[in-house]
Amino acid sequence: EAGVAQSPRYKIIEKRQSVAFWCNPISGHATLYWYQQILGQGPKLLIQFQNNGVVDDSQLPKDRFSAERLKGVDSTLKIQPAKLEDSAVYLCASSLVAGEKNIQYFGAGTRLSVL
Amino acid sequence: AQKITQTQPGMFVQEKEAVTLDCTYDTSDPSYGLFWYKQPSSGEMIFLIYQGSYDQQNATEGRYSLNFQKARKSANLVISASQLGDSAMYFCAGNSGYALNFGKGTSLLVTP
Repeated sequence: EAGVAQSPRYKIIEKRQSVAFWCNPISGHATLYWYQQILGQGPKLLIQFQNNGVVDDSQLPKDRFSAERLKGVDSTLKIQPAKLEDSAVYLCASSLVAGEKNIQYFGAGTRLSVL
Repeated sequence: AQKITQTQPGMFVQEKEAVTLDCTYDTSDPSYGLFWYKQPSSGEMIFLIYQGSYDQQNATEGRYSLNFQKARKSANLVISASQLGDSAMYFCAGNSGYALNFGKGTSLLVTP
């Protein structure tokens, strides 16, 4: 079974530019998450989707970050305009069920460097 | 939301020895899950083991076991018979529903 796919793996941009990341979850997984992992820290949730709908985006900086999940499958995360502090690894994860035992499976991540 | 604390920034262990990585959590929810993930230098987060708050027994998955002490709010990961490929960052995480809250991680280095 294919895992969570993310692209690109690496991206280097200048501040104030825009960037987009793509995620394809494991087939059949209804719940999709985007996490931001700053160097030396654990991942932090940005947004969570259940099928097409947003469950939690309380930690998403909405003035510059946006995300969508079309048709309840693929998802894109966009940053516009990027700031230096957005340099991080952006991880996408998916899970089959919600609740306490929602084991989340992660993609390899996109490493973003903002210069 | 759960708060997860990992107090060991780095650990060393010799190949074939066992090692314990510490994790404490803080939540007021009666029902929650605790997870351990491994993150090698490639960056992917790999699920290792899960423990539910109502599980009566400690979870085990191959060489990984979870020492769950509910009263002390600890969920330590034990890796037995360490291998060189176990060198990585290890993250403890907890939830009370959907998203995971992660600790800062422990860097494990397995030496020959």
